[in-house]
Amino acid sequence: GAGVSQSPRYKVAKRGQDVALRCDPISGHVSLFWYQQALGQGPEFLTYFQNEAQLDKSGLPSDRFFAERPEGSVSTLKIQRTQQEDSAVYLCASSLMGMTGQETQYFGPGTRLLVL
Amino acid sequence: SQQGEEDPQALSIQEGENATMNCSYKTSINNLQWYRQNSGRGLVHLILIRSNEREKHSGRLRVTLDTSKKSSSLLITASRAADTASYFCVTLPKAAGNKLTFGGGTRVLVKP
Repeated sequence: GAGVSQSPRYKVAKRGQDVALRCDPISGHVSLFWYQQALGQGPEFLTYFQNEAQLDKSGLPSDRFFAERPEGSVSTLKIQRTQQEDSAVYLCASSLMGMTGQETQYFGPGTRLLVL
Repeated sequence: SQQGEEDPQALSIQEGENATMNCSYKTSINNLQWYRQNSGRGLVHLILIRSNEREKHSGRLRVTLDTSKKSSSLLITASRAADTASYFCVTLPKAAGNKLTFGGGTRVLVKP
């Protein structure tokens, strides 16, 4: 069956540009997560949705980062006025319920963002 | 910041050998998970061990958890070239809700 998909897979942006990264979770999955992974590091949590509700956005590094999931399915991570330090792989994950944190999260292939 | 710290950071072994990597963490956890990441399949969940469990097996994988020492180990037996990947220790701290916390990873190279 279809897994988590993300688009674009690669994005090159000039410093100061806005970018939008899309995540299509596994159909029926309630929970959706965004992570940022710098080169050579482990992923770091950005934000978490349960259906359309953004329950935790404590990992967003600045107010230039904004995420939404308006219909409880597809999610978009938007980065305004991109900076070079935003260069990273952005991973999306979904899980069936996620209420207890005991569930497996299924990850997408990521979007590799390079800000020049 | 990352809670889990894997040791070693990198490991190179011959096919057929066992690979062992360790993880230490700082706060009380609900569970600990190991994930694998390679360029072919991305980030994939391997195994979850709950805080009240001490050892768990899945195929060629063996995970141990010592909550008194706040440490875990992952053993891969009879390694294969396809096991070449980065392995991440991932904790779910008790105060973190659903926020998984990844370590920096152990990069494993299995030479044929």
